[in-house]
Amino acid sequence: KQEVTQIPAALSVPEGENLVLNCSFTDSAIYNLQWFRQDPGKGLTSLLLIQSSQREQTSGRLNASLDKSSGRSTLYIAASQPGDSATYLCAVGRSGNTGKLIFGQGTTLQVKP
Amino acid sequence: GAVVSQHPSRVICKSGTSVKIECRSLDFQATTMFWYRQFPKQSLMLMATSNEGSKATYEQGVEKDKFLINHASLTLSTLTVTSAHPEDSSFYICSAYSGVARSYNEQFFGPGTRLTVL
Repeated sequence: KQEVTQIPAALSVPEGENLVLNCSFTDSAIYNLQWFRQDPGKGLTSLLLIQSSQREQTSGRLNASLDKSSGRSTLYIAASQPGDSATYLCAVGRSGNTGKLIFGQGTTLQVKP
Repeated sequence: GAVVSQHPSRVICKSGTSVKIECRSLDFQATTMFWYRQFPKQSLMLMATSNEGSKATYEQGVEKDKFLINHASLTLSTLTVTSAHPEDSSFYICSAYSGVARSYNEQFFGPGTRLTVL
């Protein structure tokens, strides 16, 4: 059974810092991996999607990496801003292109001005 | 990006009543829609997969008679919580997935529906 774990559960940093969020999964047979952002009481916004054949994706100040063999992904946020404060969720797509996602518990990030 | 809407955004009901939540993909056809629930400070748990024109498939532990799902068209899926009880209070989120037309097979999430059962 696939399990997704995110560390740390919460993180507080001063504005301007570069930071890394971690995601690990137990079964390397994945279809893809997505990072989402969730603001309090809101839905999810997709940030980056990495196919199982890819190693990283970049969008603006965000960079996500994927190492399937070790069951790890990282989300790197450069030059953090108070507007980046949110919960970041990692989700693994089950193998076979079913579309089913298994989510981690999330990392709640606070960026202090 | 693709837009998925949910209606209502918030609903409060009395115990024993049924509540219907709609999920619509506004600018693309969704071959599949998923329904998730999220308890406070917890992650999303997949409840069921909804395919247009066929019966929904439910995850283990989810009562199909409690959570009725109808996927009437390629742009609309509905979740009906029947005879709701306080323990059904949660944040319900849907997502829409093309699987073919969209590159990289991304899922797009709705804004969620907050259900409170008194």
